[in-house]
Amino acid sequence: RKEVEQDPGPFNVPEGATVAFNCTYSNSASQSFFWYRQDCRKEPKLLMSVYSSGNEDGRFTAQLNRASQYISLLIRDSKLSDSATYLCVGTNTGGFKTIFGAGTRLFVKA
Amino acid sequence: NAGVTQTPKFQVLKTGQSMTLQCAQDMNHNSMYWYRQDPGMGLRLIYYSASEGTTDKGEVPNGYNVSRLNKREFSLRLESAAPSQTSVYFCASSDWQGAFQPQHFGDGTRLSIL
Repeated sequence: RKEVEQDPGPFNVPEGATVAFNCTYSNSASQSFFWYRQDCRKEPKLLMSVYSSGNEDGRFTAQLNRASQYISLLIRDSKLSDSATYLCVGTNTGGFKTIFGAGTRLFVKA
Repeated sequence: NAGVTQTPKFQVLKTGQSMTLQCAQDMNHNSMYWYRQDPGMGLRLIYYSASEGTTDKGEVPNGYNVSRLNKREFSLRLESAAPSQTSVYFCASSDWQGAFQPQHFGDGTRLSIL
């Protein structure tokens, strides 16, 4: 079993839709979590950190559920420009060993 | 503001050849990382350097060596390239501010080994 697992998708949604991605992790020592966005053939770019209390940044909301060992990303009012691959990342404290999920592909259609 | 710079951007090698991928960051970050990304696999950590003078193995270190030349630079060397090392390689850097900070990535090196 991979340490960080994501539904690979693809998710095909119309503009304006709300879409949610989940990511599960198996290492309970994982402490810090992030969502990255990766466009085709480009480098990953930080979308948002994930805090224990949940956090929001505009149309994006991230949640962490330590008891069930998953993190989620909610995108509201999807835009064409949101089309990309979304990567979840977990890392253990002090170890610097980061584990990326394989990514979830999102296509937003007009 | 360059951030993380990787060279070269593209490279084709023959099996058995050696080469070094270069990475430099100008953000004064302590930690640097090398990843490879293969289709459907996500990014996998090859080696990392938590701080200048230290390096450690990641998830897939076999066939690679690294050097943390100074705080800015972290190189990845393939001593004897194999077709299985065909991949996109990303370098990243991050800092530590009481908690793990997100990583900033270079734009990658696309390496093909024939």
